[in-house]
Amino acid sequence: SYVLTQPPSVSVAPGQTASITCGGNNIETRSVHWYQQKPGQAPVLVISYDSDRPSGIPERFSGSNSGNTATLTITRAEAGDEADYYCQVWDTTSDHRVFGGGTKLTVL
Amino acid sequence: QVQLQESGPGLVKPSETLSLTCTVSGYSISNGYYWGWIRQPPGKGLEWIGYIHYTGTTYYSPSLKSRVTISINTSKNQFSLKLSSVTAADTAVYYCARDVGLVSPVDYWGQGTLVTVSS
Repeated sequence: SYVLTQPPSVSVAPGQTASITCGGNNIETRSVHWYQQKPGQAPVLVISYDSDRPSGIPERFSGSNSGNTATLTITRAEAGDEADYYCQVWDTTSDHRVFGGGTKLTVL
Repeated sequence: QVQLQESGPGLVKPSETLSLTCTVSGYSISNGYYWGWIRQPPGKGLEWIGYIHYTGTTYYSPSLKSRVTISINTSKNQFSLKLSSVTAADTAVYYCARDVGLVSPVDYWGQGTLVTVSS
């Protein structure tokens, strides 16, 4: 079964850049999607297909995918970006969706 | 605007079957897409349960496959989840969701419903 590995937590100062990684075997061959989840709310898609930004998501959010690591980058971090972030792919070998364990972003 | 709303018991006894329904508004599920369930135990991460394509084809998590059934009712614009032989480990917020395709992201989520497994 395909495994996605995320750091449990990332901290960033306001106005600085946060990078959240998602590791997986040869992940660059898969489409990676990123979700933001705030407490008590359903997740919200912030990046799709590695680097596409859905309508309404600020340009401060971007994504990349290379080798064994996909990365979500948040520039000019704001207090409102504090949330849990999850990466997700479709495992074609066993036909099921896989989520990373999630990363808690703290803006302090 | 597509909206999804979960409904069902908030408390289920151990060894019984958890049953939830997702009612879709703003889109006819018979027109396409994949309709599925994702859960999140308290304080933990997201876990995919499975999908059903509007044609009836299903995809299930390997770890839950033996206990899960997802079905679709196009006449009511609903789809449902049944999870059998539940234990306390199945306590979670259950979300229903819509996907454009297998490798696509979830584009619409329900608000989620907490199901507690306890006697």
